[in-house]
Amino acid sequence: GQQVMQIPQYQHVQEGEDFTTYCNSSTTLSNIQWYKQRPGGHPVFLIQLVKSGEVKKQKRLTFQFGEAKKNSSLHITATQTTDVGTYFCAGGYSTLTFGKGTMLLVSP
Amino acid sequence: EAQVTQNPRYLITVTGKKLTVTCSQNMNHEYMSWYRQDPGLGLRQIYYSMNVEVTDKGDVPEGYKVSRKEKRNFPLILESPSPNQTSLYFCASRLAAFTHTQYFGPGTRLTVL
Repeated sequence: GQQVMQIPQYQHVQEGEDFTTYCNSSTTLSNIQWYKQRPGGHPVFLIQLVKSGEVKKQKRLTFQFGEAKKNSSLHITATQTTDVGTYFCAGGYSTLTFGKGTMLLVSP
Repeated sequence: EAQVTQNPRYLITVTGKKLTVTCSQNMNHEYMSWYRQDPGLGLRQIYYSMNVEVTDKGDVPEGYKVSRKEKRNFPLILESPSPNQTSLYFCASRLAAFTHTQYFGPGTRLTVL
């Protein structure tokens, strides 16, 4: 079945540093979704990418979908303490396969 | 307020005692889904439903049942819970399978002794 790998598992940065998490699939993805889960909370939908090579921005967050639709990345510019949480990518429609997530810690 | 609700939020039970975790959404969404989240394994889909009376297995359906008799409700049933079903469970919904914004419930932390 489809597998979605995410790296790194964990990253600790100083506030103001940039952060990137990468998502790779064993198969071509129809779409990629990104979620954020705060400690003790539930996943919150951030964005969906559908087109090959697509790039979307949400304030300090930049999301990219690879040309081959098998990889994606989330980049946060100048992290803030409010960015703390685990970021998940997920692919598919009716059956959604999640990566294991990247936990981001931000020190002030 | 648009939301997905789950009950109970916390449950400790014993092996073999049937339980139901309820999930309800007030957004008239067609698609609903159940996930379990375990350390090191991430979120895994248990079952999903494309619409009323339509359900299908996700990646880890063994030991679980679901039903979708009404659009707003999608209960998760554990007929004979076992300790390996100790987990954090999330219900989620979205307008339709091919729409993107998926809303998650607050989660149910289940412990099976």
